[in-house]
Amino acid sequence: KAGVTQTPRYLIKTRGQQVTLSCSPISGHRSVSWYQQTPGQGLQFLFEYFSETQRNKGNFPGRFSGRQFSNSRSEMNVSTLELGDSALYLCASRADRDEQFFGPGTRLTVL
Amino acid sequence: LAKTTQPISMDSYEGQEVNITCSHNNIATNDYITWYQQFPSQGPRFIIQGYKTKVTNEVASLFIPADRKSSTLSLPRVSLSDTAVYYCLVGSYGGATNKLIFGTGTLLAVQP
Repeated sequence: KAGVTQTPRYLIKTRGQQVTLSCSPISGHRSVSWYQQTPGQGLQFLFEYFSETQRNKGNFPGRFSGRQFSNSRSEMNVSTLELGDSALYLCASRADRDEQFFGPGTRLTVL
Repeated sequence: LAKTTQPISMDSYEGQEVNITCSHNNIATNDYITWYQQFPSQGPRFIIQGYKTKVTNEVASLFIPADRKSSTLSLPRVSLSDTAVYYCLVGSYGGATNKLIFGTGTLLAVQP
């Protein structure tokens, strides 16, 4: 069974731009969660989607948004990028009542 | 959600057993304890999960005392490739409560 895949793996943007990251969960997993990891703040929960509905949300500004499609694939969007948004963005999927499986992440650099 | 406290770093040598302890004083009745391993620039990888007493799998053991306010991850005979950050998390799975909060983690450095 293929693991969680994230695209792109690396991305460079400039301040003020927007970016969309994609995550394909493990087949059969309906829950997709997003995390931001930075050296200073560690791993922080962004939000979780389950069956196309946002089920949980972390403490991030509204510039961070996401969505999930009927095939469980998820996208995360960050608008008006700031230097502080430079981070490794991780996606994780899970079947209900099971552990989360993480993807390799997307390394976003904002210049 | 329960907050966890772990040592920031630990050092070990190849072949030794390593025990990493995590404190979670405010663990809820329906919370599980889960440990993840993370290598640089990779996503965390699930190691082991438990609710109480002892759980063992092919890579680690997890010891949880009766009061569940702490847990210990035991890695037998570590190798250089076990150098990584280890995260302890508590939370319940399923429903609307799946919101994992990662602590600072423990950086385990294994030396030859």
